[in-house]
Amino acid sequence: GQQLNQSPQSMFIQEGEDVSMNCTSSSIFNTWLWYKQEPGEGPVLLIALYKAGELTSNGRLTAQFGITRKDSFLNISASIPSDVGIYFCAGHIFSGTYKYIFGTGTRLKVLA
Amino acid sequence: NAGVTQTPKFQVLKTGQSMTLQCAQDMNHNSMYWYRQDPGMGLRLIYYSASEGTTDKGEVPNGYNVSRLNKREFSLRLESAAPSQTSVYFCASSEGPGRSYNEQFFGPGTRLTVL
Repeated sequence: GQQLNQSPQSMFIQEGEDVSMNCTSSSIFNTWLWYKQEPGEGPVLLIALYKAGELTSNGRLTAQFGITRKDSFLNISASIPSDVGIYFCAGHIFSGTYKYIFGTGTRLKVLA
Repeated sequence: NAGVTQTPKFQVLKTGQSMTLQCAQDMNHNSMYWYRQDPGMGLRLIYYSASEGTTDKGEVPNGYNVSRLNKREFSLRLESAAPSQTSVYFCASSEGPGRSYNEQFFGPGTRLTVL
């Protein structure tokens, strides 16, 4: 099935470091969503992006909607132990239906 | 405001048994979705309902049926469970057609094991 290319697959970082991850697609999206999932829980929406070039922040998280509309980036500044989890991107294609395509996730581990 | 709720949280079935997973949302959303999540993979869409009264197949619909009972509730049924359906199932909702904002909100998941 159709999925987004999300990288990196996993990251091990030291507390206090910045983190960057991205998603790319061959399709143009009109919305990008970024989620965090913790063990045993459902994905929680972090940031939603609606316009090409848009840059949106949510605390220490910043996400950008790529100008080609085929990619998006998520940055986490000054990571802390509670940032641990799996981060998913999702792209929304409007084609008369309301489907979302999900990335395979970036597993983040923060070493104290 | 509970958001999206799912029942049960855990379930173990034997091959061939049937069951229904329940989902409800209290955000007055038009669209609802069922996904499955398998280890190392992203979320794959099983079925979705763009609005009350409509349902459509997603990426992996085989072995499943759905019912959009009303605007709030969207159920997923496994008629004859198979080990390949062992997975974590998530329900989600969004405002839906004609809306400017397409944020999708997820429930806590149902962890299903088929023996």
